[in-house]
Amino acid sequence: DQQVKQNSPSLSVQEGRISILNCDYTNSMFDYFLWYKKYPAEGPTFLISISSIKDKNEDGRFTVFLNKSAKHLSLHIVPSQPGDSAVYFCAASTILTGGGNKLTFGTGTQLKVEL
Amino acid sequence: DTGVSQDPRHKITKRGQNVTFRCDPISEHNRLYWYRQTLGQGPEFLTYFQNEAQLEKSRLLSDRFSAERPKGSFSTLEIQRTEQGDSAMYLCASSRAGTATYEQYFGPGTRLTVT
Repeated sequence: DQQVKQNSPSLSVQEGRISILNCDYTNSMFDYFLWYKKYPAEGPTFLISISSIKDKNEDGRFTVFLNKSAKHLSLHIVPSQPGDSAVYFCAASTILTGGGNKLTFGTGTQLKVEL
Repeated sequence: DTGVSQDPRHKITKRGQNVTFRCDPISEHNRLYWYRQTLGQGPEFLTYFQNEAQLEKSRLLSDRFSAERPKGSFSTLEIQRTEQGDSAMYLCASSRAGTATYEQYFGPGTRLTVT
């Protein structure tokens, strides 16, 4: 069962415009949500996160919105730049024994920012 | 500050052989995680260490898989009697206790191909 879903495998946006990446989840027990960016031949790189008790978190060009009632979150990138072209993964966190956390990832969205 | 490193980056092996991967986390990070990523999917959690103690194992981690973290520093993941279904990218991540936003820092991964 896919607890974190990214239904758009790809997204193409023009440079300077807004990119909106979406993510849906099913498990109400997730306590934190994170977005990662991945370039080919590299590991995922942490981008931004949001606590389940918040509805918005902003960091520079990146803003994450959380709608708990809809079990939906989105990542907004404004303005989009060619260097933002990568695969974006949504991840949801659950606490483990000892205080660590397990990340459950979606399948990713390939973002392409065109000139 | 060096990031998470993994060795080797690529491994090709024949079915039935044993393989071992190494992960060196960020030096001050006491938590270490292993994930597996197959084509078209997001990373999937395998196991978690806090210092040298393995505190959580996924059902994905069959009896042929074993992970260790002696002395709470580097970690190894061994797969015995490899099968073609083990072909995947194996990712290691680390984090520090007390991180408020639950992010994990990923290495570049080891790509395993079982022929």
